[in-house]
Amino acid sequence: AQSVTQLGSHVSVSEGALVLLRCNYSSSVPPYLFWYVQYPNQGLQLLLKYTTGATLVKGINGFEAEFKKSETSFHLTKPSAHMSDAAEYFCAVSGLSGYSTLTFGKGTMLLVSP
Amino acid sequence: DVKVTQSSRYLVKRTGEKVFLECVQDMDHENMFWYRQDPGLGLRLIYFSYDVKMKEKGDIPEGYSVSREKKERFSLILESASTNQTSMYLCASSGEGRGYEQYFGPGTRLTVT
Repeated sequence: AQSVTQLGSHVSVSEGALVLLRCNYSSSVPPYLFWYVQYPNQGLQLLLKYTTGATLVKGINGFEAEFKKSETSFHLTKPSAHMSDAAEYFCAVSGLSGYSTLTFGKGTMLLVSP
Repeated sequence: DVKVTQSSRYLVKRTGEKVFLECVQDMDHENMFWYRQDPGLGLRLIYFSYDVKMKEKGDIPEGYSVSREKKERFSLILESASTNQTSMYLCASSGEGRGYEQYFGPGTRLTVT
């Protein structure tokens, strides 16, 4: 079965500091990996995804993630945090079937202080 | 832009009531999904549909049913609402096949009293 582990339910950074949100996955087939962001009282919005090809993936709002097969990881980074980055972030891995099902991690709340 | 809309942002119902949550997408997507989101538990899949009148159970289908009579519309039904179904419900749609991202609606916060 597919699974996703996000280390840390809450991560706090100062404005301007590096953002690092960790995601490890388990998959019995080559995975497709996703990062979503959820702002308060909103649905989820896609930040970036990895399917095949380049392992360093760039997304919206200055975020990027690197697929590391040997470490089964897909960590999300941003060089310099902004107050508007405060939100909940979800990592997800594709299902095994031909359908576009996803298995989500439990989420990491990013707190940004001035 | 893909648009997924949900019929209500906030809903308050009484225990035992039948509850309908509606979701509409405008991108002709084959797949549609219903999740519930609870603090500390992330998103859990209730049901999904890969075609009109077709459905598959997700991880937590108990106490729920779904209906998809038209491609653009996917309904979640709580036959007899209970307090443990108080949650945020998110609908999503997606193209066919692995690797397609899901597009989410704004969510419905349901409170059952």
